[in-house]
Amino acid sequence: AQKITQTQPGMFVQEKEAVTLDCTYDTSDPSYGLFWYKQPSSGEMIFLIYQGSYDQQNATEGRYSLNFQKARKSANLVISASQLGDSAMYFCAMSPNAGNMLTFGGGTRLMVKP
Amino acid sequence: DTGVSQDPRHKITKRGQNVTFRCDPISEHNRLYWYRQTLGQGPEFLTYFQNEAQLEKSRLLSDRFSAERPKGSFSTLEIQRTEQGDSAMYLCASTDAAPGAFFGQGTRLTVV
Repeated sequence: AQKITQTQPGMFVQEKEAVTLDCTYDTSDPSYGLFWYKQPSSGEMIFLIYQGSYDQQNATEGRYSLNFQKARKSANLVISASQLGDSAMYFCAMSPNAGNMLTFGGGTRLMVKP
Repeated sequence: DTGVSQDPRHKITKRGQNVTFRCDPISEHNRLYWYRQTLGQGPEFLTYFQNEAQLEKSRLLSDRFSAERPKGSFSTLEIQRTEQGDSAMYLCASTDAAPGAFFGQGTRLTVV
């Protein structure tokens, strides 16, 4: 069984500053994928970034980077230069192998202050 | 094709009625997923299709739930004899083999 834990129910960040959203996971699968999704108030889940368990380097996609620490079983999302449009719910998720049968965490609500 | 489309966006039904939702995935995507999201929670996986074959079903998918993807294109999710606990957002997602699925905007079901 896979489990995702997001311990921050809500976070504030000042516009233009960087913010880290925490995610820890637990799995017995030797190969797995880690994902971050954004869910704005409109409800649609938007895929942000992916990290494979065997990837040597941390994933980056524009202003998003994933700080993957395999020994600590953590996969934190770092958003650089926050924008007002980044205000949303953020979900960490994982799947066995690189598939998309996802187990989601409970989410973190990010609020960007002008 | 601009993305995953779900219909209807909202559905209010009386307890005990049957409901059916439709999902049209991105046309070149052969993999389709259904998830359920209740208020304040992350989505929960329900079922997965590769082309027309239903390959995985969660234990959350009780006998009252059935999903189909008859020609490997659109999919339907039916809930029979709805209960108040079925009230949730039902999300559909599609992908090719790459990691990172594209989600639709969901169907919000309210059972009264």
